[in-house]
Amino acid sequence: DTGVSQDPRHKITKRGQNVTFRCDPISEHNRLYWYRQTLGQGPEFLTYFQNEAQLEKSRLLSDRFSAERPKGSFSTLEIQRTEQGDSAMYLCASSLAATQATNEKLFFGSGTQLSVL
Amino acid sequence: GNSVTQMEGPVTLSEEAFLTINCTYTATGYPSLFWYVQYPGEGLQLLLKATKADDKGSNKGFEATYRKETTSFHLEKGSVQVSDSAVYFCALLFSGSGNTGKLIFGQGTTLQVKP
Repeated sequence: DTGVSQDPRHKITKRGQNVTFRCDPISEHNRLYWYRQTLGQGPEFLTYFQNEAQLEKSRLLSDRFSAERPKGSFSTLEIQRTEQGDSAMYLCASSLAATQATNEKLFFGSGTQLSVL
Repeated sequence: GNSVTQMEGPVTLSEEAFLTINCTYTATGYPSLFWYVQYPGEGLQLLLKATKADDKGSNKGFEATYRKETTSFHLEKGSVQVSDSAVYFCALLFSGSGNTGKLIFGQGTTLQVKP
């Protein structure tokens, strides 16, 4: 178990540029979540996948955001035309789906810190 | 709507002091409650959980009891160590989450323990 890894750890970009983040989940995990965390706040749910299917998207995920998990393994999160308000820590988590949600244990990566200048 | 409110930090304690971090929630139905911890430079880790009223979650000397009457899930530890310095997040999973692990987090409380 090598844990959830995210790349890059830090990204600085100029407003209007596109950025892409990658998440590699724990290999046998079928669910993958993206959260966003702004300074002084807790993580907020953005979207999740079960295998390669994106099953839910938060209203926080504007049309400039797109996430994929093409083979049910790694996932990418792309932000187009970045804005200063996109500056945040983007967290990825993976899990094995459980029959009861309360038994599902999420494993989080260390996150990608995005700064939009 | 569903939400979680935590006491503001930072909380600064001396080693071996008693810790309480307050957490209250608003939720429809019967949520499950969690405490996550984030050590510097690391991802969030599940610390403990409770899935129904009056349940007590415990791990590594930390405890929290699910109090439905006060809608609270306060985190306690009898004797903190320097290694407990971290950010602590209270979170809930509400019954309408569609059987997913979609959590609602509080804003986090930073704990600093001095030797």
